[in-house]
Amino acid sequence: DAGVTQSPTHLIKTRGQQVTLRCSPKSGHDTVSWYQQALGQGPQFIFQYYEEEERQRGNFPDRFSGHQFPNYSSELNVNALWLGDSALYLCASSQGTGTDTQYFGPGTRLTVL
Amino acid sequence: AQSVAQPEDQVNVAEGNPLTVKCTYSVSGNPYLFWYVQYPNRGLQFLLKYITGDNLVKGSYGFEAEFNKSQTSFHLKKPSALVSDSALYFCAVRDMEYGNKLVFGAGTILRVKS
Repeated sequence: DAGVTQSPTHLIKTRGQQVTLRCSPKSGHDTVSWYQQALGQGPQFIFQYYEEEERQRGNFPDRFSGHQFPNYSSELNVNALWLGDSALYLCASSQGTGTDTQYFGPGTRLTVL
Repeated sequence: AQSVAQPEDQVNVAEGNPLTVKCTYSVSGNPYLFWYVQYPNRGLQFLLKYITGDNLVKGSYGFEAEFNKSQTSFHLKKPSALVSDSALYFCAVRDMEYGNKLVFGAGTILRVKS
């Protein structure tokens, strides 16, 4: 049973560029949440997708957007990258939007130069 | 708003000794608490959770956590530490006022020395 997978593993971009990160949830899960983990900090919630809609959003600018596909996989898009966007981006999947445990993928390390 | 605090940046323990990683929480309503572990260059791995019921929760790899409502704490424990337990540990609370997003503490580095 495959767990949560994310691609790519690492990514290097320059300021002003756009990036797309991808996530496939654990088998049987229909909800995907995205978190940003800056160096030396705990993960910060970006947003959550369920039934192909953004259900909740954290304190992140509109430059951060996402999408969920019918197969429950998800993308995180970040426009107009700036240096402060450098972080580990984590995807977590769960069953529904209730109290089910969120299981995390290995993350995508984004470096903005 | 829901929050958790991990008062120790780092915990050092000798292999074979018991370990405790501390976490305190602040929530309105019933707390839903979690512990995750992160190894270098890896994602977060779920260890255990408290939703309701027994105050002592058993999880993966011999870890357990004690929920204490009066002290608003949820400390992670293990009777006998292994060198391989060395990692970054995060306590988290589910923000039930805001759907089910997780709010994480800053993390505690655990170093187990042989």
